[in-house]
Formats: sequence, structure tokens, C-alpha cells
Amino acid sequence: GIQVEQSPPDLILQEGANSTLRCNFSDSVNNLQWFHQNPWGQLINLFYIPSGTKQNGRLSATTVATERYSLLYISSSQTTDSGVYFCAVRRGTYKYIFGTGTRLKVLA
Amino acid sequence: DSGVTQTPKHLITATGQRVTLRCSPRSGDLSVYWYQQSLDQGLQFLIQYYNGEERAKGNILERFSAQQFPDLHSELNLSSLELGDSALYFCASSVGTGGVSYEQYFGPGTRLTVT
Repeated sequence: GIQVEQSPPDLILQEGANSTLRCNFSDSVNNLQWFHQNPWGQLINLFYIPSGTKQNGRLSATTVATERYSLLYISSSQTTDSGVYFCAVRRGTYKYIFGTGTRLKVLA
Repeated sequence: DSGVTQTPKHLITATGQRVTLRCSPRSGDLSVYWYQQSLDQGLQFLIQYYNGEERAKGNILERFSAQQFPDLHSELNLSSLELGDSALYFCASSVGTGGVSYEQYFGPGTRLTVT
């Protein structure tokens, strides 16, 4: 099956800093999503981005499907950005494969 | 708020018992997915239903079963519970089946604790 690797596994930032999270996947996919799991456990959709670039406020994402990776950019980080960021991919099946996540802590 | 609802939010039960988790998808979504998130296994896909029919199975134990009803809500039944079944159980929904890619939206989850 498809392997999904996320890096870095842990990240600590000072409020206001920028960061880049990476998601590598081992095979071609036709669906990719980024999620933020907040400290209360809720999974929040960030981007549905099988290819290309999207932006939403301070967050943006780029997926280069031909090279099998996706990047999530967080600019001017805030304490509310803390939590775990997951990338999930799907290829021709009915299930998403989730990466192990990047645990982000933003310090005030 | 994703529009996907799950009940109950928390559930504490004893080993050997049986519980039922309930999920209502977003209005208009026909597909429902169940996931388990445990500390050691991460987020694992369990099963998917589309318009009342089972479409895909993942790492779902034989002690677990699910169904989707005509009104499209879904229930996940967990029986003969073991300590290792303690986890956060998520339901997600999407517009269509997995044959064409659709964005999934997750409910708030049910936190199951087996004592």
C-alpha cells in the first residue's frame, strides 16, 4: 500500500514565525487532504489539494503530484495553530491513508 | 463545524461490553467512513458505506460491525470490548463514493474508554 511520511515529526515555534510541513507519499494519488487536529481532538479540514497550490489566509499548500510530495506553509504562526497536522492521501481506493503527523507547538 | 455529527462524545465502559456509536453525515453526503485513532496505531480506516451499502473495509476487527440506514445515518457497533479498543472513533462523510475523489469531512469523534 501507499506509504505516507510527514516531516518534521515535532516542531516548536515562537509566535509570529513561519514554518513548512512536508508530506511525502510513495505512489501516485488522486486525492490529498491536509487536516489540523486541535488539542481537543477535532479534525479540521485545511486543504483538499490533489495538485497545485491553494491559499487560505495565513495558510497555503502546494502539491507536486509528479514528484509525490505536498507542502503546508504556515505564516505568522499563532498559539491557536498548535496541534497535530496530518496529510492524508487516497489512490483509486475508498480509504484515506494518513501520515503520522507533525506535532506543532507555538509559544506565546 | 463540519456538519457531521457524532454521539456520544464520550463513552466509558467495561471490558466485555458492547457499545454503539452513531454518526449523521453532512446533508447531501451519501458516503460515510469510520476511523479509529489510537495512540499506538494513529488514524486507521475501518469501513466505508455508500448509500446504505458497504463499499470498503479496512482494518476492522470481526468484533466490530457497522451499517448505514435509509436516512443515511450510520452506526458502528463494538462488542466484546477489550482495553486496547480504547480510542477516538471518527466518522467522516463525503458527497460520493471513492471511485471519484471527494473531500472528506470529519465529525468531532467519540472518545471510548474501556476499563
